[in-house]
Amino acid sequence: GQNIDQPTEMTATEGAIVQINCTYQTSGFNGLFWYQQHAGEAPTFLSYNVLDGLEEKGRFSSFLSRSKGYSYLLLKELQMKDSASYLCAVRDSNYQLIWGAGTKLIIKP
Amino acid sequence: DAMVIQNPRYQVTQFGKPVTLSCSQTLNHNVMYWYQQKSSQAPKLLFHYYDKDFNNEADTPDNFQSRRPNTSFCFLDIRSPGLGDAAMYLCATSGGGETDTQYFGPGTRLTVL
Repeated sequence: GQNIDQPTEMTATEGAIVQINCTYQTSGFNGLFWYQQHAGEAPTFLSYNVLDGLEEKGRFSSFLSRSKGYSYLLLKELQMKDSASYLCAVRDSNYQLIWGAGTKLIIKP
Repeated sequence: DAMVIQNPRYQVTQFGKPVTLSCSQTLNHNVMYWYQQKSSQAPKLLFHYYDKDFNNEADTPDNFQSRRPNTSFCFLDIRSPGLGDAAMYLCATSGGGETDTQYFGPGTRLTVL
């Protein structure tokens, strides 16, 4: 079967750096997405990786290793508003998005 | 601003009473999706339209139906809601291209009494 694994919950301190990992086993690979979802709201698109390496976008960066079936989302200079769930999703060989359950990130002052 | 709009944001219905949720988009995207998401779970794809071509997920219950009368609008009909259907319903669209990113509406929170 197809599977996306992420930690259920993480805690970090305001101003610090946090790395949220995602491992996947899917039938084929056509890109990996990270979304941010605040409680009670819809997911919003953060980043897309299809080639190995690091994609940087302001305070957020996303890394992909296709050979390891692994990605991470790196958040720098954490702010209280970054408290949210972060969902990893992989597009498989059928161009279907396979979603992880998300990592709930709690930011403490 | 181009966007995905869902109405209503909150819907309360009674057990077994049909309900319709609506989604509209100004992005002119050709693909529209309906997801169900329960608390702390991954979004679950119910069905999607590629233009007018309807694609139903194999495990989507028959209780759930959808209509897409035109490019801009898509509806989710729940014929006889059960308590287990209480969830957030998310509409998303994508327009192809290199990333074919899905963009979500704000969601409709459905409560079944």
